[in-house]
Amino acid sequence: QSVLTQPPSVSAASGQMVTISCSGSSSNIENNHVSWYQHLPGTAPKVLIYDNNKRPSGIPDRFSGSRSGTSATLGITGLQTGDEADYYCGTWDSSLSAYVFGTGTKVTVL
Amino acid sequence: QVQLQQWGAGLLKPSETLSLTCAVSGGSFSGQSWNWIRQPPGKGLEWIGEINHGGSTKYNPSLKSRVTISEDTSKDEFSLKLSSVTAADTAVYYCARDASSYMDVWGKGTTVTVSS
Repeated sequence: QSVLTQPPSVSAASGQMVTISCSGSSSNIENNHVSWYQHLPGTAPKVLIYDNNKRPSGIPDRFSGSRSGTSATLGITGLQTGDEADYYCGTWDSSLSAYVFGTGTKVTVL
Repeated sequence: QVQLQQWGAGLLKPSETLSLTCAVSGGSFSGQSWNWIRQPPGKGLEWIGEINHGGSTKYNPSLKSRVTISEDTSKDEFSLKLSSVTAADTAVYYCARDASSYMDVWGKGTTVTVSS
């Protein structure tokens, strides 16, 4: 059972926006950098956001990240069918001395 | 561009030891941190542990008693051993590079099934 909680699923029409929340605590999100990963079936996860709000080169600016207190949020604008995937937040947990992933959110494009 | 190629036995019997290796190419091995992550069928990602520069290791507390991560700097490889496996260890196992707070490069994954 993960210490980072995400909604099981979110959905929106093509071209619209979705946000995915990641709720944690002072031992993880509040005091450590958050990253977000996209996981398509049969492929390796890919980092979309690191250090709370930075995008690696090649990741479009449709993807954005933010952090406030013990929660983080991933935003996806201009939703495309290719965005249908599972999304995970991740960060270090200082109490567990372990890297933790969120419970995962499935994005569906209607 | 750093690439990770992983391999290992895909079918194990209960109580056996899982053994996977990940080879690093296209970049520096030394001075980096290397991780193992898994995803059981129908479940989310789970961090297993890491080995960093100097050979220091950190493990998921829930697996610590059964996990060993080691490195072979002469081959630019790192390995995972998980002892006394059960069906609950059936998963896709990934190796990944830790770019200081996030995993930026991932292997393609190895499916490991534990079944009698």
